Amino acid sequence: ETGVTQSPTHLIKTRGQQVTLRCSSQSGHNTVSWYQQALGQGPQFIFQYYREEENGRGNFPPRFSGLQFPNYSSELNVNALELDDSALYLCASSPTGGGFSYEQYFGPGTRLTVT
Amino acid sequence: GDSVTQMEGPVTLSEEAFLTINCTYTATGYPSLFWYVQYPGEGLQLLLKATKADDKGSNKGFEATYRKETTSFHLEKGSVQVSDSAVYFCALSSSGTYKYIFGTGTRLKVLA
Repeated sequence: ETGVTQSPTHLIKTRGQQVTLRCSSQSGHNTVSWYQQALGQGPQFIFQYYREEENGRGNFPPRFSGLQFPNYSSELNVNALELDDSALYLCASSPTGGGFSYEQYFGPGTRLTVT
Repeated sequence: GDSVTQMEGPVTLSEEAFLTINCTYTATGYPSLFWYVQYPGEGLQLLLKATKADDKGSNKGFEATYRKETTSFHLEKGSVQVSDSAVYFCALSSSGTYKYIFGTGTRLKVLA
């Protein structure tokens, strides 16, 4: 069974640029959530996708957007990058439509640095 | 809104010492509670969970009991090892929502 994978591992971008991060969910999981983890902080929920539709969103501006594909993999897109977007971006998958008692399985994350 | 509060770190212990990491929460209804661990350079791994009051989650010698009356979910281990050095996150997920809410994490360092 393959776990959650993310690419790239590290990324350096300039303020104002756009970035796309990718996530492959664990086999059999149809729900993907994205989190932003700033240095020394806990992960903050960005949004969740279930069967290719956004299923919930945290307090992030519209320049954070996402997609989920038929194979349940997902992308996180961030436009007009700001310095404060520098963080570890975590993808997590779960086997249901976000049922609250189900654990989420996290990928290793993508470290984004905005200069 | 829902929130999770963890004790400040870092926590430094000698090998075989007893560990407690405090976690309290605020939530409407009856959330599910989780402890995740993050080793250096890695993503989060589920350590244990509890989905209703008085449930005890346990794994790898770690335990936590869901205490509704004190809104707490403290993590304990009787004898820590150097390999337990990591950052520990308490989290909740409420019914009717789709997200986890995490605490700020507690760094544990175990010395040989």
